[in-house]
Amino acid sequence: AQKITQTQPGMFVQEKEAVTLDCTYDTSDQSYGLFWYKQPSSGEMIFLIYQGSYDEQNATEGRYSLNFQKARKSANLVISASQLGDSAMYFCAMGARAGGYNKLIFGAGTRLAVHP
Amino acid sequence: GAVVSQHPSRVICKSGTSVKIECRSLDFQATTMFWYRQFPKQSLMLMATSNEGSKATYEQGVEKDKFLINHASLTLSTLTVTSAHPEDSSFYICSARDRYTEAFFGQGTRLTVV
Repeated sequence: AQKITQTQPGMFVQEKEAVTLDCTYDTSDQSYGLFWYKQPSSGEMIFLIYQGSYDEQNATEGRYSLNFQKARKSANLVISASQLGDSAMYFCAMGARAGGYNKLIFGAGTRLAVHP
Repeated sequence: GAVVSQHPSRVICKSGTSVKIECRSLDFQATTMFWYRQFPKQSLMLMATSNEGSKATYEQGVEKDKFLINHASLTLSTLTVTSAHPEDSSFYICSARDRYTEAFFGQGTRLTVV
């Protein structure tokens, strides 16, 4: 069975500093994808970054990078140079490539608060 | 990124009535659309997956007669909560994708049944 675990219900970071949000996963699929989404208080889900299980390089998208450690089954999100607008809920999700990533399993989320 | 529009953003209805929520892909053809439900301070739970022109595939435990999903065109899917009750109050959010990209989410609909 697939499972996503986010062990940090809440995180605080000072503006302009970097923060790491943890995500571990469990799956029996050989080929899968890991996703991070941001959910501000407005409710919309904003796609941030994607990592394929066979990608050798860690994914990066602007200030977001994914620290992918396949052997440890972890896919932590690193946000560099935090901004006040980064305050939101962050969800890690996983989907099987065989299913076209159609069925995404989400973690419980981490609420990030960026302090000035 | 692609734009997915969900309407309405908020709705309050009386118990026993039905509510329809629309999900539109504005700048791409969505071959597949997904409906999620999110309880307060919890994660998203997939309710059903719909492919254009086909019947929706519901996740285990989701009542298909309660949550009617229609995906009649490549740009529109609707979720109808039938005979709504207070326990159906929740945040419903759709996502859509074509064959080549990741899924993009709508803004969500907060349903309150009184």
